[in-house]
Amino acid sequence: IAGITQAPTSQILAAGRRMTLRCTQDMRHNAMYWYRQDLGLGLRLIHYSNTAGTTGKGEVPDGYSVSRANTDDFPLTLASAVPSQTSVYFCASSPLGAPYNEQFFGPGTRLTVL
Amino acid sequence: GNSVTQMEGPVTLSEEAFLTINCTYTATGYPSLFWYVQYPGEGLQLLLKATKADDKGSNKGFEATYRKETTSFHLEKGSVQVSDSAVYFCALSLRRETSGSRLTFGEGTQLTVNP
Repeated sequence: IAGITQAPTSQILAAGRRMTLRCTQDMRHNAMYWYRQDLGLGLRLIHYSNTAGTTGKGEVPDGYSVSRANTDDFPLTLASAVPSQTSVYFCASSPLGAPYNEQFFGPGTRLTVL
Repeated sequence: GNSVTQMEGPVTLSEEAFLTINCTYTATGYPSLFWYVQYPGEGLQLLLKATKADDKGSNKGFEATYRKETTSFHLEKGSVQVSDSAVYFCALSLRRETSGSRLTFGEGTQLTVNP
């Protein structure tokens, strides 16, 4: 693994179903993030984690939950998917304390909720 | 609150044309500023960055200068290539050395360069 991996690459999901998007990084970064990308809206932060064992809410957290059991993994769960959650989801990471605050992004998961 | 505004797209140029993508921001405090690029089917990659007023970020022929007086960070390139076709995102982050970064993105600008 080099960098950040996300799975699945794409998924079609029936409304009301539960779904977990996976994210793994091998850079030993402390901080990790989940964004959703929607046309005309750019990327919006869903949840973040500054270090293993802690999480926080971003700009659009409703309907999503996260956990951070270890440094490398940061799964995003949709407990009961709705069509408005159709989007492209990006996971990112950064080294905590980096003065330039650069983030590194995964390739994304394209999710369609019908 | 913090926000980033980019010029509306899409932008279509011919190869070797001059590129400007405007970006302005509002922020409480002194942000770091970034341009990220997203090539088709890929995630975002950092293109360039600037961390204080009057800093100029540059990479791959692209440049942007942090202008505090106009709260702007416009992206420029003197001669674009077909391979520059992508979506460009302006973003800001407040400098937080102990609590991680929280990027705020603009809407993105789609650039298409024709041969």
